[in-house]
Amino acid sequence: EVQLVETGGGLIQPGGSLRLSCAASGFTVSSNYMSWVRQAPGKGLEWVSVIYSGGSTYYADSVKGRFTISRDNSKNTLYLQMNSLRAEDTAVYYCARVGKLEPGSYFDYWGQGTLVTVSS
Amino acid sequence: SYVLTQPPSVSVAPGKTARITCGGNNIGSKSVHWYQQKPGQAPVLVIYYDSDRPSGIPERFSGSNSGNTATLTISRVEAGDEADYYCQVWDSSSDHQLFGGGTKLTVL
Repeated sequence: EVQLVETGGGLIQPGGSLRLSCAASGFTVSSNYMSWVRQAPGKGLEWVSVIYSGGSTYYADSVKGRFTISRDNSKNTLYLQMNSLRAEDTAVYYCARVGKLEPGSYFDYWGQGTLVTVSS
Repeated sequence: SYVLTQPPSVSVAPGKTARITCGGNNIGSKSVHWYQQKPGQAPVLVIYYDSDRPSGIPERFSGSNSGNTATLTISRVEAGDEADYYCQVWDSSSDHQLFGGGTKLTVL
């Protein structure tokens, strides 16, 4: 059974850093495309980043240069390192598996999300 | 940059048909995916590649995509279908995934 479990959220001051983790089971993270998607309180879904099976990474303009997506193959875990956090980064962060190994594919499995609150 | 436009809300009576649109420039040339999200829960894929349905999703859910509009159709709407629905595409020019703003489906 495919499962994604995010951890690492919490309250952080503006300008601070936080690392989110997404532990996967039931499949191999490194063999799939994996993404982070966030949702600000009361708002819609916003794609954040993707890492392809080959290692290429892409970011939304809103986080480029501040966030870094990575994975640990030995732990079968996806990460999102978030630096220089801003109030507008406050959101529930979901990790999601991309269903097929192509950029135009869909997100077939999602974690339950972890809340990041950026506030002083 | 590419923009996806969804109506903020759609209302429908139980047993009737709900149609939720997702507009974008020549969206018919792109693959569109749809998600259902209920309060406090993660999104769930309901339609992928315009009109395919994942296992476990009722046949009442269907999709189409042509020209500048993609449509998610929910037939014989039930109270349990009340949720937010999002469309998603990949913008090849930026290599970014994009979501529509979401549509809140209210079952009257």
